Amino acid sequence: DTGVSQDPRHKITKRGQNVTFRCDPISEHNRLYWYRQTLGQGPEFLTYFQNEAQLEKSRLLSDRFSAERPKGSFSTLEIQRTEQGDSAMYLCASSKTGTPVDEQFFGPGTRLTVL
Amino acid sequence: DAKTTQPNSMESNEEEPVHLPCNHSTISGTDYIHWYRQLPSQGPEYVIHGLTSNVNNRMASLAIAEDRKSSTLILHRATLRDAAVYYCILRDPLKAGKSTFGDGTTLTVKP
Repeated sequence: DTGVSQDPRHKITKRGQNVTFRCDPISEHNRLYWYRQTLGQGPEFLTYFQNEAQLEKSRLLSDRFSAERPKGSFSTLEIQRTEQGDSAMYLCASSKTGTPVDEQFFGPGTRLTVL
Repeated sequence: DAKTTQPNSMESNEEEPVHLPCNHSTISGTDYIHWYRQLPSQGPEYVIHGLTSNVNNRMASLAIAEDRKSSTLILHRATLRDAAVYYCILRDPLKAGKSTFGDGTTLTVKP
């Protein structure tokens, strides 16, 4: 499978715990995006990397959220001290510079449930 | 960010054409119009994009108004597998970064 992969697919945690999600983009893609999606709504942008540089962050990304892409390949999204409001689907997407329209390819998402 | 407006839901019968509208009155000259769709329990997938001219691909057609303030995604023969949420978004390739998704149109296809 040469698509975007995310791990885990599902995560159930208790309020106050820390969680970390991983995203592996398509291998030749240098841009990587994180989105959050709650039930019945469209994806909301969280942050975006070009290679290892984090170039844009949404104000939705509070201090409890941190994302890294240390070698410009895979990325991790960590949520510290989870709250029930963090329950959502976390989507990762990747794209390649140099294409006319920067089409984003999405992974299947990680569904987080905070009890 | 330029915003798009779509109906919340639409219904279609199987094997019939479907026209999904999108309004984007604040579109800028460098914005491309993209359509994505999201099947249940999956991430969004790319459907089609265009700038000014109408576009066709194996999945759908995109009709863009002459003033570019609206567009229509056309599924020529809807199948049950086309039941999904369809998102119309605007992206400027010179401003790589976030895509602003609205709440999309939920398409129901009836057998």
